[in-house]
Amino acid sequence: SYELTQPPSVSVSPGQTARITCSGDTLAKKYAYWYQQKPRQAPVLVIYDDNKRPSGIPERFSGSSSGTMATLTISGAQVEDEADYYCYSVDSSANHGVFGGGTKLTVL
Amino acid sequence: EVQLVESGGGLVKPGESLRLSCAASGFTFSNAWMNWVRQAPGKGLEWVGRVKTKTDGGTADCAAPVKGRFTISRDDSKNTLYMQMNSLKIEDTGIYYCSTRIGDHWGQGTLVTVSS
Repeated sequence: SYELTQPPSVSVSPGQTARITCSGDTLAKKYAYWYQQKPRQAPVLVIYDDNKRPSGIPERFSGSSSGTMATLTISGAQVEDEADYYCYSVDSSANHGVFGGGTKLTVL
Repeated sequence: EVQLVESGGGLVKPGESLRLSCAASGFTFSNAWMNWVRQAPGKGLEWVGRVKTKTDGGTADCAAPVKGRFTISRDDSKNTLYMQMNSLKIEDTGIYYCSTRIGDHWGQGTLVTVSS
């Protein structure tokens, strides 16, 4: 089986840098994707293909990946960035997807 | 504008069936691999399954907890994604989302409640 592991929570003050990690064997060969989900809303893609940012996503969101770990970095986190963040990838055959358990980001 | 609209959720008893639909517009649906993702109340996102494009074989795969009970299909003539859910269990309760392959577009979700 394959799993992606995230810390349950991360807390930063406004303006600080938040880093959320995601670890899993599949990340050594497959891209990581990151989603932001606010209460009662559908997820929003914030990073794809490890480090690409969709249009409309603020530049303070960035992604990186090395070996079996991917990292979402929010540089100068804002109060509105407070949300749950999920990493996602696929297995080696790309036949199955998997989400990390999610990280609750608190900005206060 | 890309739109994904799920429907078909509801309240059912354990062992019963439901068919979810996801109507797509604003992009070339036939060229898109599509996912189903669910979220149990107060829990995280869970990948349920996906279907490839006809060009890529049109095959569908499901996660272990639903394999053999859920079937994903697509009708490109109707720009619609489906998921037939049989032998529903209480633990299948949650919001079901359809999304594009990399999740750059999501529907608003449809609620499935399995309860006796």
